[in-house]
Amino acid sequence: DQQVKQNSPSLSVQEGRISILNCDYTNSMFDYFLWYKKYPAEGPTFLISISSIKDKNEDGRFTVFLNKSAKHLSLHIVPSQPGDSAVYFCAASEGTGGFKTIFGAGTRLFVKA
Amino acid sequence: NAGVTQTPKFQVLKTGQSMTLQCAQDMNHEYMSWYRQDPGMGLRLIHYSVGAGITDQGEVPNGYNVSRSTTEDFPLRLLSAAPSQTSVYFCASTATSGGYNEQFFGPGTRLTVL
Repeated sequence: DQQVKQNSPSLSVQEGRISILNCDYTNSMFDYFLWYKKYPAEGPTFLISISSIKDKNEDGRFTVFLNKSAKHLSLHIVPSQPGDSAVYFCAASEGTGGFKTIFGAGTRLFVKA
Repeated sequence: NAGVTQTPKFQVLKTGQSMTLQCAQDMNHEYMSWYRQDPGMGLRLIHYSVGAGITDQGEVPNGYNVSRSTTEDFPLRLLSAAPSQTSVYFCASTATSGGYNEQFFGPGTRLTVL
């Protein structure tokens, strides 16, 4: 039973346009959500996060939106760049310190030049 | 500051063999964890530790053992390797002070069990 779901295995976007990656979760006890980016043959790297007390967090070209009632979050990348091509993982945890962080299956983003 | 290091990078085992995947971090992080990444499954938590001497099971702990004798090291042991354990293994660490924190991942170990 997947507690964190990323239903789109892949997404293709033109350079300069917006990329929207979606994530759904089932555990209402999750109170911290993160996005990680992964290039081939490397470990994931942290991108952006949001606490359950907020509904939006922005960092440069990256914005994460949280809809708690729908148990849904999304990552917006504007404008998309070819270097953004990677696998993006949504993750969720209960409590502080990243304990028992649960990851989604990932979405592979292709940004076409 | 090397961050999180993992050895080896690649390993091939025969069914039934045992081995230890090494993980070390130099950031004085209390929390460390092991994940495996499989196609279509994302990252699944195997075991985690909240400090030296304290470990607990994650989502998929069967077939793996861990121990945490120091803050820096968190080895993962495969007791009797099976083909189902073919995967890419990632170690991660995070600071536990200051509330919510992201994890720092190592570069991974690609394991093949024949």
